[in-house]
Amino acid sequence: DTGVSQNPRHKITKRGQNVTFRCDPISEHNRLYWYRQTLGQGPEFLTYFQNEAQLEKSRLLSDRFSAERPKGSFSTLEIQRTEQGDSAMYLCASSSGQGPEILFFGSGTQLSVL
Amino acid sequence: GESVGLHLPTLSVQEGDNSIINCAYSNSASDYFIWYKQESGKGPQFIIDIRSNMDKRQGQRVTVLLNKTVKHLSLQIAATQPGDSAVYFCAENIGGSNYKLTFGKGTLLTVNP
Repeated sequence: DTGVSQNPRHKITKRGQNVTFRCDPISEHNRLYWYRQTLGQGPEFLTYFQNEAQLEKSRLLSDRFSAERPKGSFSTLEIQRTEQGDSAMYLCASSSGQGPEILFFGSGTQLSVL
Repeated sequence: GESVGLHLPTLSVQEGDNSIINCAYSNSASDYFIWYKQESGKGPQFIIDIRSNMDKRQGQRVTVLLNKTVKHLSLQIAATQPGDSAVYFCAENIGGSNYKLTFGKGTLLTVNP
């Protein structure tokens, strides 16, 4: 499979717990993006990486959220001390890095915070 | 507020009819636009894109029209099929070194057999 892969597909957690999601982008794509999507809304930008460098973070990304892409390949998104308002679909996308271009999305991780 | 929005939240058409989904944007600096299709439980899937130096672009059964004067974008789907039922989003890129896309709320297209 050469598409963007996200794990897990679903995560149910209790309020206050920490969760971590993983994204494997399309091979050789050097840009990787995280978005969050709630029911009935379009995806909202969270952060993006060019190789291993995190170049932009949305103000939506509170200090409980941290993302890494240590070797410029896969990325992880961690949410600490989860809150019910964190319940959403977390989408990862990648692109080849040649100007404004198509983002290819994974199927997302659906997070439910109880 | 959002810079990308949609005129209609839902659209219902008969199989075989043509569908038109509209999108308004407010950022005149936007220079690249993409339409995505999202089926339930899946991530957005690329349909077609257009750059601001173009007015029209055609793909297989789909056409995107861009009117920069009124900041309006539309997606036309010819001979709509049940498999086209999904939520459709337009997204914009504001250009420069900022490559992220900003999405609108989406339009739910339902195709009736």
